[in-house]
Amino acid sequence: GESVGLHLPTLSVQEGDNSIINCAYSNSASDYFIWYKQESGKGPQFIIDIRSNMDKRQGQRVTVLLNKTVKHLSLQIAATQPGDSAVYFCAENENTDKLIFGTGTRLQVFP
Amino acid sequence: GAGVSQSPSNKVTEKGKDVELRCDPISGHTALYWYRQSLGQGLEFLIYFQGNSAPDKSGLPSDRFSAERTGGSVSTLTIQRTQQEDSAVYLCASSPAGRVGREQYFGPGTRLTVT
Repeated sequence: GESVGLHLPTLSVQEGDNSIINCAYSNSASDYFIWYKQESGKGPQFIIDIRSNMDKRQGQRVTVLLNKTVKHLSLQIAATQPGDSAVYFCAENENTDKLIFGTGTRLQVFP
Repeated sequence: GAGVSQSPSNKVTEKGKDVELRCDPISGHTALYWYRQSLGQGLEFLIYFQGNSAPDKSGLPSDRFSAERTGGSVSTLTIQRTQQEDSAVYLCASSPAGRVGREQYFGPGTRLTVT
């Protein structure tokens, strides 16, 4: 079936730099996308979402970009901080009651 | 307010034993989800409850897995005759009416280890 796909890479960034985490999705009918952050030993926490009628949405230090043409989603974190170290998941929804989660990307922030 | 809570936080059991994992969703949330997360992996959907509707059990990996939701609130996930491959973190999430499939609030998970 269709799925949101991420291998589980590790992105290492220096504190203060910007981070970009990518996600490819395969379901062209998905109309809603979410990014979650999961710190060690905790459940995923909502970061930011975007609807398919938008291509960019900004939050506090985070920006989500959606490119429907190539079915690509990215999360940009500005001025990355040690507290941003976590696994980040993208998820999609096709107007159903369930989210489909990607595998995740581990973000490591070093001083 | 209180978030989603799960108990126990950790469970170690012997192969072949049954285990019960509990989830207390956010009060008033109509939807409740169970996921399984193996080490270094994403979230695998298990089962979904919405109001009084029949649960969506399409993600349960075998008939050893079952779940109940009593009174539209607390849910219990039961794994019978546990196997080593059942070792994982089991996450519960709930959603408010009108935001089902959109906002999901997760509990901290139960780490299950089958020895």
